[in-house]
This record gives sequence, C-alpha cells and structure tokens, in this order.
Amino acid sequence: GENVEQHPSTLSVQEGDSAVIKCTYSDSASNYFPWYKQELGKGPQLIIDIRSNVGEKKDQRIAVTLNKTAKHFSLHITETQPEDSAVYFCAVPSIDTGRRALTFGSGTRLQVQP
Amino acid sequence: GAGVSQSPSNKVTEKGKDVELRCDPISGHTALYWYRQSLGQGLEFLIYFQGNSAPDKSGLPSDRFSAERTGGSVSTLTIQRTQQEDSAVYLCASSPSGTANQPQHFGDGTRLSIL
Repeated sequence: GENVEQHPSTLSVQEGDSAVIKCTYSDSASNYFPWYKQELGKGPQLIIDIRSNVGEKKDQRIAVTLNKTAKHFSLHITETQPEDSAVYFCAVPSIDTGRRALTFGSGTRLQVQP
Repeated sequence: GAGVSQSPSNKVTEKGKDVELRCDPISGHTALYWYRQSLGQGLEFLIYFQGNSAPDKSGLPSDRFSAERTGGSVSTLTIQRTQQEDSAVYLCASSPSGTANQPQHFGDGTRLSIL
C-alpha cells in the first residue's frame, strides 16, 4: 500500500515567520495531493490541494509545491498568525482503494508564538 | 451550505455494548467515507461508499465493524461488542463523486470512549 511520511512532527515558529511541512510518498502514479488543517475538537479541513499537472499552487498565505521526480510535496505558510496553530496533515490517494480513499501522513503540530 | 454532519458528537459506553454512529453527507455528494483517528495516531480508512455500488470494506479492522448507507445519503457505522481499543474519533467525509482524486470534506467526528 501507499506509504506517506510527514516531517516535522512538531514545529514552533514566531508570529510572522514562515513554516514549511514536507511529505514524501511512495506511489509514483499518485496525482492528487491535499493538505488538511485540524483544530482541536474539529474534523480535518481541506486548505489546499494540488494535482500533478502543476508544480505549485498558492492561495493567499498558503502554498503547496510538488516535486514528482523526488516524490515529495510541501506546505508553505507565510506570515504565520496565532490562528494558524493547529495540526496539519498531508494525504495521497490510496492505491488499495483505487485512489478513492486517502492515506494520511502522521501530522505536524504547528504552534505559532505571538 | 451545510457541511458533513455527524452524531452524536460524543459517545461514552461500556465495553461489550453495541454503538451506532451517524453521518449525513453534503447534499449532492455521492461518495462517503469513514475514517478512524486514534489518540496520537493519524487517520485510518475504514470503509467507502459510492452511489449504489458495493462498498469498499477493506479498511474495517474486524467483523465487529459494519456500515450501511441507505438511499444513497445518510450512513451509519455500527460497532458490535465494543472493546477498549475501539476508543477513537470516528470521522466521516464526503466528496462530489466517486472518481479518483476527489476532494474530501470532513465532519467534526464522533468521539467514542469505551469504559
């Protein structure tokens, strides 16, 4: 099955700094890469996704970059704010389910210090 | 519009009891997924429904777990003879269609505690 590794597991930054979270995956045929933000007591919220026909996608302060050759993709958050503090998960479609269900990374706990 | 709705939000029950968890997907979404998130763990796929097709049950951890989806909308996940290791947050997601690589939108989950 698909193997997804996510780093770092925890990340602490000062407000206004940038944060980068990286995921590597094993299935070279994967072509959809979402990122989710999960706040305490809530379900994961889709914040950005990218398909393999592009190398980068931006939405205001967040961006995702994809390197298909190296099989990794990264979430970039610029000008971090305290409300960005949450757990972030990457995911890739699971080969075992015909790429319908998702296989998730282990999560990154981001803390933005005011 | 309304998002994915799950009930109850919290459930505490004794070991050995059966529990039913409910998911109401986003209106018009034909695909529905159940995942489990254990303490300190990532999200683990359980089961997937798409329209009237047979569900993909490949993620169910044991035969004590079952799910159904009536009328192509609401789904219930049933756990029989609950064990302490079943304690987790059970998350439901839906997507517009069952084709591969579709965005999935999650509810806030049911936090299940087995005493």
